Amino acid sequence: KQEVTQIPAALSVPEGENLVLNCSFTDSAIYNLQWFRQDPGKGLTSLLLIQSSQREQTSGRLNASLDKSSGRSTLYIAASQPGDSATYLCAVHMDSNYQLIWGAGTKLIIKP
Amino acid sequence: EAGVAQSPRYKIIEKRQSVAFWCNPISGHATLYWYQQILGQGPKLLIQFQNNGVVDDSQLPKDRFSAERLKGVDSTLKIQPAKLEDSAVYLCASSLEGGGMGEQFFGPGTRLTVL
Repeated sequence: KQEVTQIPAALSVPEGENLVLNCSFTDSAIYNLQWFRQDPGKGLTSLLLIQSSQREQTSGRLNASLDKSSGRSTLYIAASQPGDSATYLCAVHMDSNYQLIWGAGTKLIIKP
Repeated sequence: EAGVAQSPRYKIIEKRQSVAFWCNPISGHATLYWYQQILGQGPKLLIQFQNNGVVDDSQLPKDRFSAERLKGVDSTLKIQPAKLEDSAVYLCASSLEGGGMGEQFFGPGTRLTVL
């Protein structure tokens, strides 16, 4: 059974720092992996989707990497800003079924 | 392009009452999902539609929850009767591709409080 883990559950850093959020999964037979952002009281915003054949995806200050063999993905945020404060969730699609398997998220606080 | 629309945004009811949520997906998206998200957890899939057919409702508590997607566009999710543990955010998402493997786009959610 696939399990997705995000550590730490919460992270607080000063503005301007580069930071890395981690996502690990137990079964490497994934179809794709998606990173989302969730602001308080709001829905989920898709940030990056990495297909299983890809190693990384970039969008602006965000870079997501994928290492299937080790069961890990990282979300790198460059030059963090207070507006980046949110909860970041990762989710994987398995090869064998179409459900998204979710991590519990990392709550990120960027201090001005 | 308009996003996924949901209403209402907030709902407070007493236990044993009924409630309904509405979702309008992104135009042209064949697949629609309803999720339940309890505070501090990732979303839990309740039901997935492909056009107006149900693909997966294995985690839907069918004794109290029901959902429909008439004409393969809008969808409603109903809870009757509500329990305290149903307090959560109900998220609707849609994706363009069939088969459930496509990138999912989410609405703002409906926050339900059951007293």
